[in-house]
Amino acid sequence: TQLLEQSPQFLSIQEGENLTVYCNSSSVFSSLQWYRQEPGEGPVLLVTVVTGGEVKKLKRLTFQFGDARKDSSLHITAAQPGDTGLYLCAGARTGGFKTIFGAGTRLFVKA
Amino acid sequence: ETGVTQSPTHLIKTRGQQVTLRCSSQSGHNTVSWYQQALGQGPQFIFQYYREEENGRGNFPPRFSGLQFPNYSSELNVNALELDDSALYLCASSLDRSYSPLHFGNGTRLTVT
Repeated sequence: TQLLEQSPQFLSIQEGENLTVYCNSSSVFSSLQWYRQEPGEGPVLLVTVVTGGEVKKLKRLTFQFGDARKDSSLHITAAQPGDTGLYLCAGARTGGFKTIFGAGTRLFVKA
Repeated sequence: ETGVTQSPTHLIKTRGQQVTLRCSSQSGHNTVSWYQQALGQGPQFIFQYYREEENGRGNFPPRFSGLQFPNYSSELNVNALELDDSALYLCASSLDRSYSPLHFGNGTRLTVT
């Protein structure tokens, strides 16, 4: 059982569409991070959220941390083919020493 | 600023053999974490090293071992390779052992036949 559940697992959309991916847990996290991974490369950090209810924007990407710090969402506006990749959420639990990852959402944006 | 580099990029081994993977941390980072990423999955935590000492371990058997050197570079050793060990092995460095962001290398793709 994954401590961090991501949904959907796979998403194929047309360029210009909007989408939201979710990261859920029954555990509280001191912070959540979102990474993007492209084939043949390691994950690259997009954002870290640390405060319950926090919203961060990175150009067309909007990240939200749930009020209870158990879940997060990533919303992409007007998706582009360059957004294609594996989106991973990752969290550090309070008092823990490791960052754990969800299984990822594989996004494919068609031109 | 030099990023995280891993070697080799690809490796093919036979079941039962041993393998050593290497990682150079990003400049200024004293913590290294190793992850195993199976095809289609998220990275699974193997262990973390902080200032040359193991700082925590995931659910991996003892045949997975590691080292961190005074310059904060690191090795992952796997003994008695099994077919299920085939995966992408990722090294990530961070500023310290708290919740600082992970900076990943591009991984070593290990295939066990």
